[in-house]
Amino acid sequence: AQKITQTQPGMFVQEKEAVTLDCTYDTSDQSYGLFWYKQPSSGEMIFLIYQGSYDEQNATEGRYSLNFQKARKSANLVISASQLGDSAMYFCAMRLIYNQGGKLIFGQGTELSVKP
Amino acid sequence: GAGVSQSPRYKVAKRGQDVALRCDPISGHVSLFWYQQALGQGPEFLTYFQNEAQLDKSGLPSDRFFAERPEGSVSTLKIQRTQQEDSAVYLCASSPGQGAFDEQFFGPGTRLTVL
Repeated sequence: AQKITQTQPGMFVQEKEAVTLDCTYDTSDQSYGLFWYKQPSSGEMIFLIYQGSYDEQNATEGRYSLNFQKARKSANLVISASQLGDSAMYFCAMRLIYNQGGKLIFGQGTELSVKP
Repeated sequence: GAGVSQSPRYKVAKRGQDVALRCDPISGHVSLFWYQQALGQGPEFLTYFQNEAQLDKSGLPSDRFFAERPEGSVSTLKIQRTQQEDSAVYLCASSPGQGAFDEQFFGPGTRLTVL
């Protein structure tokens, strides 16, 4: 069975510092995609970054980077230079490429609080 | 351009009532997904449409849940005889193609409270 595990229910970070949010995944498929979404209090899921299972380089999008360690089955999100607006829930998700209709499998989420 | 919209944003129902939740995907998007997000949890998949065809409904929790997308655009999630455990945020997402590489764009969700 496919599963995403986020072991940090809540994290605090000082403004302008970097923070790492942990994500591990479990699948026997070789082809999959890993995603990170941000969910502010307004409720909408905002796509942040994507990593394909065959991508050799870690994905980066502005202040977001994904630390992909395939052998460990981990896909941690690194946010550099945290801003107050980064305070939100963060979800790691996985999508299988060849079956199950492309649905996303989400973790439990990590609530990030950025302190001024 | 307009994103995914959902209505109503908030719905309060008495136990046993039927409810209908609407999703307007981004125009032209082929794929449409429904997810259920309980308080403090990550979203869980309910069902998937490719155009008007419902290709996966494995996540629907019971036969009280029914979804349709008759013309391949707007979708409605219907819950019959609502129960308290149905209280959750219902998220709709659409994506332009049918491939798993396509980004899913989410709507703001409908928060359902069953009393």
